[in-house]
Amino acid sequence: GENVEQHPSTLSVQEGDSAVIKCTYSDSASNYFPWYKQELGKRPQLIIDIRSNVGEKKDQRIAVTLNKTAKHFSLHITETQPEDSAVYFCAASKNSGYALNFGKGTSLLVTP
Amino acid sequence: DAMVIQNPRYQVTQFGKPVTLSCSQTLNHNVMYWYQQKSSQAPKLLFHYYDKDFNNEADTPDNFQSRRPNTSFCFLDIRSPGLGDAAMYLCATSLGNNGYTFGSGTRLTVV
Repeated sequence: GENVEQHPSTLSVQEGDSAVIKCTYSDSASNYFPWYKQELGKRPQLIIDIRSNVGEKKDQRIAVTLNKTAKHFSLHITETQPEDSAVYFCAASKNSGYALNFGKGTSLLVTP
Repeated sequence: DAMVIQNPRYQVTQFGKPVTLSCSQTLNHNVMYWYQQKSSQAPKLLFHYYDKDFNNEADTPDNFQSRRPNTSFCFLDIRSPGLGDAAMYLCATSLGNNGYTFGSGTRLTVV
């Protein structure tokens, strides 16, 4: 089955700096890669996703890049703010109608 | 608003006493999922229904079962909860190429 590895497990940055979280996946058939933000005690919230026919996608301060050959994808957050502090999960699936395989999560702390 | 609703938000049950968690959706999504999320861990898929077809993950304990009586509702039954089953249980739905929608979750405590 699909195995998703996520790094780092914790990340601390200063407000205004950029944060990068990286994930690798094992199943070359995976073609849908969402990123979720989860605040303590709350549900995961989709923040951005990318499909395998696209190499990069951007939404304001958030961007995701995908390298299908290397089977890795990354989340980039620019101009970080304290409210970006949360746990971020990457995931992979064969498409958005199939089960998601999650990475173990990255706890991001943005200090003022 | 269309959404995925989980009840209750918090559930306390006794060790060994059967408990049922519920999920309903107004999105008319054909796929419904149950995830277990323990503290500081990623959500772990227990099973999902693709329409009426039930799909059980290989490592889901036999203690966990699910029912989907119709498109809108899905239930998670834990036959004999143990202390290790304490977790947040997340229901999610999806439809084709539309992304997942998670419910708010039910936090289960076993005493």
